[in-house]
Amino acid sequence: GNSVTQMEGPVTLSEEAFLTINCTYTATGYPSLFWYVQYPGEGLQLLLKATKADDKGSNKGFEATYRKETTSFHLEKGSVQVSDSAVYFCALSGANSKLTFGKGITLSVRP
Amino acid sequence: NAGVTQTPKFQVLKTGQSMTLQCAQDMNHNSMYWYRQDPGMGLRLIYYSASEGTTDKGEVPNGYNVSRLNKREFSLRLESAAPSQTSVYFCATYPLAKANTGELFFGEGSRLTVL
Repeated sequence: GNSVTQMEGPVTLSEEAFLTINCTYTATGYPSLFWYVQYPGEGLQLLLKATKADDKGSNKGFEATYRKETTSFHLEKGSVQVSDSAVYFCALSGANSKLTFGKGITLSVRP
Repeated sequence: NAGVTQTPKFQVLKTGQSMTLQCAQDMNHNSMYWYRQDPGMGLRLIYYSASEGTTDKGEVPNGYNVSRLNKREFSLRLESAAPSQTSVYFCATYPLAKANTGELFFGEGSRLTVL
């Protein structure tokens, strides 16, 4: 079956630091890959996505590249802000648009 | 434009009590989903409905039932609540069941505590 593995957290960074959150996946076929973000007290919202190998998704300064050869979709941002503090989930799509999520990682950014 | 609305937002139950979580969407989406979120477990799919009139089990369906009342509404029922069902529950929607490249739209969540 499909699965998503995220690096263990939580992660605490200082403002303007570089961020990398690792995500690897196991899936049959060619799934689409997603990063979702959950701000405190809110539901999840899509941050970025990639639908095929070598695609790069980007939004709000975050980027992730669909690497089929390493089955990875790592999230990066060059300079984090306090407002980026949230929980980040990597996910892949399966049949009937069912998403399989990773466990999530909490990011805290200090001023 | 409300999007996906869940009620109630908070609920405390005693073991053995029953309750229903309601979800309504105004986006005319075909597919609806119920997930639960637990610390260190991420989100796990409980049940989903690819279209009006159909429901299917997800990864963790035991102890739950669902009803797709119409295109707008998808309810989740706990017949006899257990402490293991203490969680945050999210409803989500998607426009079309057959495509697999789009985004889900989530409600704000319902926090349930079972004592």
